[in-house]
Amino acid sequence: AQSVTQLGSHVSVSEGALVLLRCNYSSSVPPYLFWYVQYPNQGLQLLLKYTTGATLVKGINGFEAEFKKSETSFHLTKPSAHMSDAAEYFCAVRTSGGYQKVTFGIGTKLQVIP
Amino acid sequence: EAGVAQSPRYKIIEKRQSVAFWCNPISGHATLYWYQQILGQGPKLLIQFQNNGVVDDSQLPKDRFSAERLKGVDSTLKIQPAKLEDSAVYLCASSLVSGSADTQYFGPGTRLTVL
Repeated sequence: AQSVTQLGSHVSVSEGALVLLRCNYSSSVPPYLFWYVQYPNQGLQLLLKYTTGATLVKGINGFEAEFKKSETSFHLTKPSAHMSDAAEYFCAVRTSGGYQKVTFGIGTKLQVIP
Repeated sequence: EAGVAQSPRYKIIEKRQSVAFWCNPISGHATLYWYQQILGQGPKLLIQFQNNGVVDDSQLPKDRFSAERLKGVDSTLKIQPAKLEDSAVYLCASSLVSGSADTQYFGPGTRLTVL
């Protein structure tokens, strides 16, 4: 079985400040990990994903995430928040090999304060 | 490249009525997914198609929900009869293949309100 825990359903940061959204996963086999962003009244858009290889993954809009196996974490960061980053962010896990459905976390709503 | 199309975008019905949602995936994408996203939660997979065959429908409430993907392209999701707890956003997604690392592309969703 696999699961995802996102700590903090709401996160507020000031414009220009560091963005840190936390994600921990549980998986019995090596996972594939994803971060999606959802703007109001829109579908989900892939920010970045980790499959194999380099553990620091860079995505769109200046976001990056680091896969830490020892901590079972895949936290999302961005050095400097923009107003346009205000959205809901979902972490997701899918086990590698064979068929496995994607399991999403409950989401973290990011508010950027001017 | 056109994205995943869904219609309608919004639907309001009364409980016990029926409703249908339509999805047109990205051209050439073999895999199609329907998700249910209840307010305050992450998307939950309802059903996954590989071409026109069902790969996973373990979380689909089959007593009231049904889905089909004729000819391996468009898909419809139906609820009959609807319950209050079916109020949610229904998201359709597609991917080129069904591999674990494959990127899923999401449509804008259909927001269903059941009164």
